[in-house]
Amino acid sequence: QVQLVQSGTEVKKPGASVKVSCKASGYSFTIYGISWVRQAPGQGLEWMGWISAYNTNTNYAQKLQGRVTMTTDTSTSTAYMELRSLRSDDTAVYYCARVSRYCSSTTCFDYWGQGTLVTVSS
Amino acid sequence: DIQMTQSPSSLSASVGDRVTITCRASQSIDNFLNWYQQKPGKAPNLLIYAASSLQSGVPSKFSGSGSGTDFTLTISSLQPEDFATYYCQQSYSSPWTFGQGTKVEIK
Repeated sequence: QVQLVQSGTEVKKPGASVKVSCKASGYSFTIYGISWVRQAPGQGLEWMGWISAYNTNTNYAQKLQGRVTMTTDTSTSTAYMELRSLRSDDTAVYYCARVSRYCSSTTCFDYWGQGTLVTVSS
Repeated sequence: DIQMTQSPSSLSASVGDRVTITCRASQSIDNFLNWYQQKPGKAPNLLIYAASSLQSGVPSKFSGSGSGTDFTLTISSLQPEDFATYYCQQSYSSPWTFGQGTKVEIK
């Protein structure tokens, strides 16, 4: 069965960086993409960007351009999201999600990781 | 960016009620519209993709409709496990934006 398993809780100081991992299993990793979505406490879902596991092309949300990098390691079927220059408003639960292009010829997020809480505090 | 606006932001309903949630896009997105359910402390779960296609394993009490700019998610008979927050999301163009969510609470 398809599973996305994320790394554990992180506590960082303002200005630091965090790197969250998302290990995929149960499917052919390079056929799909991985998107990252975050959710601040008590707030809605915010799309951060996505990476193609096939050719590593990326597309980032404009507000995070320059601070976020998404990568993949096909040898371990793992995706990574690094966020730099952390601020207090980056405190959120970060989710990875599988990007499927097979949703009736549209795109959807059909499997999700369990989430990683990142707290930014001095 | 395409803005997604859901209404209402919250609603109270009773078990057995028929519930409808609306999502409006700021420009036409054809049928590139997905619906997700999120329960507290859990990751979102895909319910409906391409506006009206039911994701595998999702009960048929959930249905979606619409095209262009106006979409609806309907729960035919609300059950206790359906109390959650529902999000629409467009995948027509980047950034793939979400609606602000609709919280369905017990009356």
